[in-house]
Amino acid sequence: EPEVTQTPSHQVTQMGQEVILRCVPISNHLYFYWYRQILGQKVEFLVSFYNNEISEKSEIFDDQFSVERPDGSNFTLKIRSTKLEDSAMYFCASSSGGGSWLIEQYFGPGTRLTVT
Amino acid sequence: DAKTTQPPSMDCAEGRAANLPCNHSTISGNEYVYWYRQIHSQGPQYIIHGLKNNETNEMASLIITEDRKSSTLILPHATLRDTAVYYCIVRTLSNFGNEKLTFGTGTRLTIIP
Repeated sequence: EPEVTQTPSHQVTQMGQEVILRCVPISNHLYFYWYRQILGQKVEFLVSFYNNEISEKSEIFDDQFSVERPDGSNFTLKIRSTKLEDSAMYFCASSSGGGSWLIEQYFGPGTRLTVT
Repeated sequence: DAKTTQPPSMDCAEGRAANLPCNHSTISGNEYVYWYRQIHSQGPQYIIHGLKNNETNEMASLIITEDRKSSTLILPHATLRDTAVYYCIVRTLSNFGNEKLTFGTGTRLTIIP
């Protein structure tokens, strides 16, 4: 069964450093998402991406964050200058199709980001 | 999206049916009920969704009341692997199909051996 993959599984970085989290969505999917979950808290939406542009972003997704689909298979989340409060599990998700129906999102296993 | 209310935790004996309730009293006509679960710290996993009719798939059944103000997710024969946090989410139908999921705190279901 096709699945969303994410690398690395765990990333440790120092405050102020840039990090790039990578995701490979399911191959025929068209919609891509990033969510995050701070330890012990809810899963929070960050951004959705379609047709090479951001569809929607949350208040969390400020100028320090960016997303890119550089080569037609990878989908990346970049945090320009990490802060301690960026420590969280980051989940990538993808979904297929569109139109006037709702399609389920498939989530990857997550990347645990630890900012020290 | 409509707000949902779920009990924070539930236990169920292994092999029995687990019935997880969700209240969504402010749901509107174009909103679907979705269920996801999150096992330990893994990525959320889609279970089932419905609009107003009862739905069943290989994982679970979804019972939606006639007034659509509440629903119940049923895991017919719970196993230890069903221990997870279960999220009831209401999503708006639109023409784009890429709406975000808004997760609440969910119900932590523990299956007891």
